[in-house]
Amino acid sequence: AQSVTQPDIHITVSEGASLELRCNYSYGATPYLFWYVQSPGQGLQLLLKYFSGDTLVQGIKGFEAEFKRSQSSFNLRKPSVHWSDAAEYFCAVGGGTSGTYKYIFGTGTRLKVLA
Amino acid sequence: NAGVMQNPRHLVRRRGQEARLRCSPMKGHSHVYWYRQLPEEGLKFMVYLQKENIIDESGMPKERFSAEFPKEGPSILRIQQVVRGDSAAYFCASSPPGKGISTDTQYFGPGTRLTVL
Repeated sequence: AQSVTQPDIHITVSEGASLELRCNYSYGATPYLFWYVQSPGQGLQLLLKYFSGDTLVQGIKGFEAEFKRSQSSFNLRKPSVHWSDAAEYFCAVGGGTSGTYKYIFGTGTRLKVLA
Repeated sequence: NAGVMQNPRHLVRRRGQEARLRCSPMKGHSHVYWYRQLPEEGLKFMVYLQKENIIDESGMPKERFSAEFPKEGPSILRIQQVVRGDSAAYFCASSPPGKGISTDTQYFGPGTRLTVL
């Protein structure tokens, strides 16, 4: 069955520290992979996406993610976290060669940033 | 360029009432998707619509739920005779027009939080 796992429900980091949010997926076809961020009261904003090509993807707000097919992972990273990064982060899989529009989301990781 | 708009942002209904959730896609987008997020869960696909057509409603509960995307106006997700289990956040997304089934990136609205008393 197709699924996305975000093993960390909550993560707390200090401002200025590095960040890595984990995402593992199970998907039959070549996946399209996404990271979205949701600030309180806001919609989901697309941070970055991977369709094909270079496995290291750069996104907005200084985020990057690396697609590792052998590990079925698409972890999100940021070298130095800012207080404004506190939010909930969702990994999703969808699209791909089968063209599916049914995005499958993980349960999210809530990030807290300490001053 | 305004993003995906949803209203109301919060909706409270008593059991047995009807809930109507509205979604206006991004300007120029003609594909609309509805997702539901139950507490402590990820977003789950409900339905995919193009103008005046339901493309895929495989994620919709069989009863009480319906969706439309008319030629003019927003997309509507309608829940009749709501029950407590319908309490959730309902998100709408849209994607640009294109031939056939969309494979484009979906852009999400802020969601409607439905509470059923």
